[in-house]
Amino acid sequence: KNEVEQSPQNLTAQEGEFITINCSYSVGISALHWLQQHPGGGIVSLFMLSSGKKKHGRLIATINIQEKHSSLHITASHPRDSAVYICAAPAYSGGGADGLTFGKGTHLIIQP
Amino acid sequence: SAVISQKPSRDICQRGTSLTIQCQVDSQVTMMFWYRQQPGQSLTLIATANQGSEATYESGFVIDKFPISRPNLTFSTLTVSNMSPEDSSIYLCSVVEDRESEQYFGPGTRLTVT
Repeated sequence: KNEVEQSPQNLTAQEGEFITINCSYSVGISALHWLQQHPGGGIVSLFMLSSGKKKHGRLIATINIQEKHSSLHITASHPRDSAVYICAAPAYSGGGADGLTFGKGTHLIIQP
Repeated sequence: SAVISQKPSRDICQRGTSLTIQCQVDSQVTMMFWYRQQPGQSLTLIATANQGSEATYESGFVIDKFPISRPNLTFSTLTVSNMSPEDSSIYLCSVVEDRESEQYFGPGTRLTVT
């Protein structure tokens, strides 16, 4: 079963800073997920990516399949970006529609 | 993207009782999953809900404790049986519309067992 490691677990930054969250996984996969969880508990899918880079607004996700590593970047961070960011991978190798296994999450606080 | 609703949104239950959580999707989906998030922890996959057949459970989760039904492509239920305080968690369902799409999560059911 896949194991997902994520760092850092906690991150506090000032508004405007460039944020990087890292994720590594143990088993080759078809796609990796980045999720956002707000204090109320709701989970939003930010990215699903299988290669290269994806960008959505100020969020950028990259993945290196060979090194089994992905990063999530936030440019020009804002207090509304404060949330828990979670990296998730298919629980078993391949499996584009498998259940997921999750990193412990990164609790991000952006201070004004 | 699929719109998912869960009922109830929260509940407080006594130990020894059972609670059934419903997950409804506004469109037919390929896959449905159930996850648990214990306090301060990340999510853990409980099982894959299979339409018309028995669910596929992850290690550490058994059908007697977490029976799951999926009678069609838009609906599933998870029952938490014979509850103990250790079952206090947020329970979430998620769906995948097809094998190339993202996974979408329901709003969750916050369960407290006293």
